[in-house]
Amino acid sequence: QSALTQPASVSGSPGQSITIPCTATSSAVGNYIYYVSWYQQHPGKAPRLMIYDVNNRPSGVSNRFSGSKSDNTASLSISGLQAEDEADYYCTSYTRGGSLDVVFGGGTKLTVL
Amino acid sequence: EVQLVQSGAEVKKPGESLRISCKASGYTFSNYWITWVRSVPEKGLEWMGRIDPSDSYINYRQSFEGHVTISADKSISTAYLEWSSLKESDTAMYYCARRAPGSYWFDSWGQGTLVTVSS
Repeated sequence: QSALTQPASVSGSPGQSITIPCTATSSAVGNYIYYVSWYQQHPGKAPRLMIYDVNNRPSGVSNRFSGSKSDNTASLSISGLQAEDEADYYCTSYTRGGSLDVVFGGGTKLTVL
Repeated sequence: EVQLVQSGAEVKKPGESLRISCKASGYTFSNYWITWVRSVPEKGLEWMGRIDPSDSYINYRQSFEGHVTISADKSISTAYLEWSSLKESDTAMYYCARRAPGSYWFDSWGQGTLVTVSS
């Protein structure tokens, strides 16, 4: 079980907004939740950075994507859902746990209905 | 333009050796760490380890240490992931990704190398 827990799936209709939570389940990760980043991965493609350090968007990423955190949970929000947003989304964070440096969440499949 | 270009898909038998590569361009190779990530269907992404090409310092995930070797050749801006004895459980897609020292995100990824290990 990952030290970052995400729901296996979420769904929404075009134009709606959705939120994907990412909860740190250990202090080794929870203490560094402000280093969370989010990646989008379409089938057969490499992951793409969407959000870093909780709520920062790299150049080129739509402002429909935003990040936030509350206590030990970081969240990715997508507004104005589009068909192209259908993908897997992974959160990651720095961790001081053992030999790990970065830990990935289990991933969330977003379905646009 | 920053690019990480990985070597092509491989099909191997258990016990065979393999080295896959990740060639960087568009930036100073030594200024960024290279991380290797394993992707297995239904299991998601898994951090394997990373190398600092400037001094070849390597950090492995404990579950991979001793089974894989990460290396880099600064002279040709290329990082490597190597196995001396593959197992069927190594079948996966492998990605290299770039990370700036002091940051905790991966801003550029290779296209992935599919490794299939089957008898």
